[in-house]
Amino acid sequence: GESVGLHLPTLSVQEGDNSIINCAYSNSASDYFIWYKQESGKGPQFIIDIRSNMDKRQGQRVTVLLNKTVKHLSLQIAATQPGDSAVYFCAEQNTDKLIFGTGTRLQVFP
Amino acid sequence: DTAVSQTPKYLVTQMGNDKSIKCEQNLGHDTMYWYKQDSKKFLKIMFSYNNKELIINETVPNRFSPKSPDKAHLNLHINSLELGDSAVYFCASSQVRGSGEQFFGPGTRLTVL
Repeated sequence: GESVGLHLPTLSVQEGDNSIINCAYSNSASDYFIWYKQESGKGPQFIIDIRSNMDKRQGQRVTVLLNKTVKHLSLQIAATQPGDSAVYFCAEQNTDKLIFGTGTRLQVFP
Repeated sequence: DTAVSQTPKYLVTQMGNDKSIKCEQNLGHDTMYWYKQDSKKFLKIMFSYNNKELIINETVPNRFSPKSPDKAHLNLHINSLELGDSAVYFCASSQVRGSGEQFFGPGTRLTVL
């Protein structure tokens, strides 16, 4: 998962710019990855997933890239909007459970 | 028409007390989960039930006991509450076990004084 720190890593972007949130994983056997968005005071919400037989998957304004060689995945958000402000988690599947990373806070400025 | 609901939303209690959190999903899903999110936003699975059968039981103190009376409900009972139990507890459900697409409830913020 992502590196652990006392504070959440924060990404600050201007409205309309593209955002890239990164995540590293350690288990080379992991074959299924998911991104979640958690707005303040709410539960996490599924955004997009990707299996290890793909290296890219696109959704509405979001793209997930998977680089198995360096065990890295990223979430790209196009034309970031104020409503995208949240904490973003990557997660990897391990048998029946999800292992979540530590999260990245995305702040969108007007 | 809330998909996954939890009660209560806030719970403030003294150390040593016993409390329960309730969860219900109206999505017809087979699998339900309890997660704990600490003050650093770290989210960790605690338990999972599939069709009322316990399938995940992480290293959680046995003061925590989940109960699933039916497929749509998963409750969490906590005995002898400790300061370290203070956290936000999320219930979630998924259509099938092992699914990456889980639907989370709004969370229960537990504060132990």
